[in-house]
Amino acid sequence: AQSVAQPEDQVNVAEGNPLTVKCTYSVSGNPYLFWYVQYPNRGLQFLLKYITGDNLVKGSYGFEAEFNKSQTSFHLKKPSALVSDSALYFCAVSQDSNYQLIWGAGTKLIIKP
Amino acid sequence: EAGVAQSPRYKIIEKRQSVAFWCNPISGHATLYWYQQILGQGPKLLIQFQNNGVVDDSQLPKDRFSAERLKGVDSTLKIQPAKLEDSAVYLCASTFDLAGYNEQFFGPGTRLTVL
Repeated sequence: AQSVAQPEDQVNVAEGNPLTVKCTYSVSGNPYLFWYVQYPNRGLQFLLKYITGDNLVKGSYGFEAEFNKSQTSFHLKKPSALVSDSALYFCAVSQDSNYQLIWGAGTKLIIKP
Repeated sequence: EAGVAQSPRYKIIEKRQSVAFWCNPISGHATLYWYQQILGQGPKLLIQFQNNGVVDDSQLPKDRFSAERLKGVDSTLKIQPAKLEDSAVYLCASTFDLAGYNEQFFGPGTRLTVL
């Protein structure tokens, strides 16, 4: 069965420091991987996705994610965190054989000034 | 381009009452999703439409929830009667088609409080 794990409920980072939000997945075939962000009282916004090709994917707001097939991971990263990056981040996976998104439980990112 | 529209943004009802939510997807998007999001959790898919047909409604509590997308464009989700545990944010999303690599575009959601 497909699944997504976000092992950290919350990540705390000081402003200006690099940040990483972790995601691992389990699928039977080739995955399509996504990151979404949810700001307070807002809907979900697409950040970036991996379909195929280059393992390093760049997305909105300076975020990037690295696909690691051997570790079945797709961690979200940013070189220098901003206070405005504070939000809830969701990792999700889908496949062509199952076009529904399987969602992680979310990680709350808190950036402190 | 205009995003996914949802209304109302907030709704407060008492248990056993009925409520309806409306969604208008991005123009040209054939696939529409309704999700339920409990505070602090990931979205849970309730129902998925492709044009005006249902693709998956396996997690829709059909004794109280119903949804339709009659003309393949906008959609309504109804709860009748509501229970306390239905308090959540109801998100509508759309995407161009069923391909798994398409990102979903979300509306702002409707926050439902059942008293």
